[in-house]
Order: sequence, then structure tokens, then C-alpha cells
Amino acid sequence: SAVISQKPSRDICQRGTSLTIQCQVDSQVTMMFWYRQQPGQSLTLIATANQGSEATYESGFVIDKFPISRPNLTFSTLTVSNMSPEDSSIYLCSGSGLAGEGEQYFGPGTRLTVT
Amino acid sequence: GENVEQHPSTLSVQEGDSAVIKCTYSDSASNYFPWYKQELGKGPQLIIDIRSNVGEKKDQRIAVTLNKTAKHFSLHITETQPEDSAVYFCAASPGYSTLTFGKGTMLLVSP
Repeated sequence: SAVISQKPSRDICQRGTSLTIQCQVDSQVTMMFWYRQQPGQSLTLIATANQGSEATYESGFVIDKFPISRPNLTFSTLTVSNMSPEDSSIYLCSGSGLAGEGEQYFGPGTRLTVT
Repeated sequence: GENVEQHPSTLSVQEGDSAVIKCTYSDSASNYFPWYKQELGKGPQLIIDIRSNVGEKKDQRIAVTLNKTAKHFSLHITETQPEDSAVYFCAASPGYSTLTFGKGTMLLVSP
């Protein structure tokens, strides 16, 4: 299985500011994803991070609000832009494709609070 | 798109009892069904998965069954232990890519 780390683990930010979350995988993965998980809720896919090209966003999520980069096969960033209290959530990255069989492994998450 | 329903939302059992969590999905193209365990303050951990060409899979105290005709799959935990207490999520995928998650089941195992 992959070991996935995220930075920061948590942050408290003021509304109107932006935060960039980093995700590092310890080995090359085919696909990387970003999810949002509101407290006590399930996981909602924000986007698929594509290496060397624009991310693929799910309905309800836009690039201007959640710009994503993936410069190589082991690293991705998610930026939460112009934050509001509604953006307070846990943001999780995941990777899949290590063994070519699709298992998806998750990082520990970044807990974001917007005041 | 895919819709995954998960039941129950909470489940309380005594240590040593069995626990069963059930999920249904809507997209007949889905062919990969993982289960995740999420402990407080941690990311989801993949505990077992099943693919559409298999009806049942077992790993020690954990088993998953799949009924493609009825579009449902279940997680079975036997001989539950307090450390099994967590939130469990089922998910479905049409091609080993994007996952659609159920809403989760909070399992509480009492000593």
C-alpha cells in the first residue's frame, strides 16, 4: 500500500484568504484525487489531479475556487481560494494505481477551519 | 451518476458479536467495491475490497459479499473487538477510478 502524507495537518484561516495543501505519495501512482469531508459526513470528490494537465473537476467544484497542481507522479497541491466559513472541512488526498488494480489509499487529511 | 446507499447509519454491538453493514448501488457498470475504516482524526483506511467477478472475499475476521444482480454488497465483521469501533464507508467505482461513497456507518463495539 502507499504511504500518503499531507501538509498542513490542520490550519485556522481568516475568510478571504487562501490555503494550499500539499500531498506527497511515497511511490508513483497513476491517479491522485482530492476529496472534501465535512464533519460527520461522507467523502465528496472535488477533482482528479492529472499530471501535467488541468485537473478534472466534479459537478459543483470549479478551478477558480480549488486550483490543483500535479507536477509529477508523487506530488499534488490543492488550494482553497478566497475562503469562507463554509469551506471549513477536512480535505483528503488519495492515490491509486500502484499495483494497477485500482486500490485507492488516503492521506491523513487536512482539517481546515475558516473564521 | 452512481448513487450508493449505506445502512445502518449507526450500529452498536457487544464485543464478540458479529456486525453487518449493507450497501446498495445504482450503476450496473460499477465493478469495484472497496470498504474503508475511518478512525477519529484519521484518513480512511482500505480494509477490504471486492471486484465484480467475485461473489465473496474474506480476510481473517472481515468478509465482503457481492450480489451483482441485486446491486448490493455487505461487510461482515465477526468476533468484534473494541478496536473495531470506527466509521465504515462503502464505495463503488465503474472502472477502478473515481469512487462514490456511502454515507457511512458508525460502529460501536462495547466491551
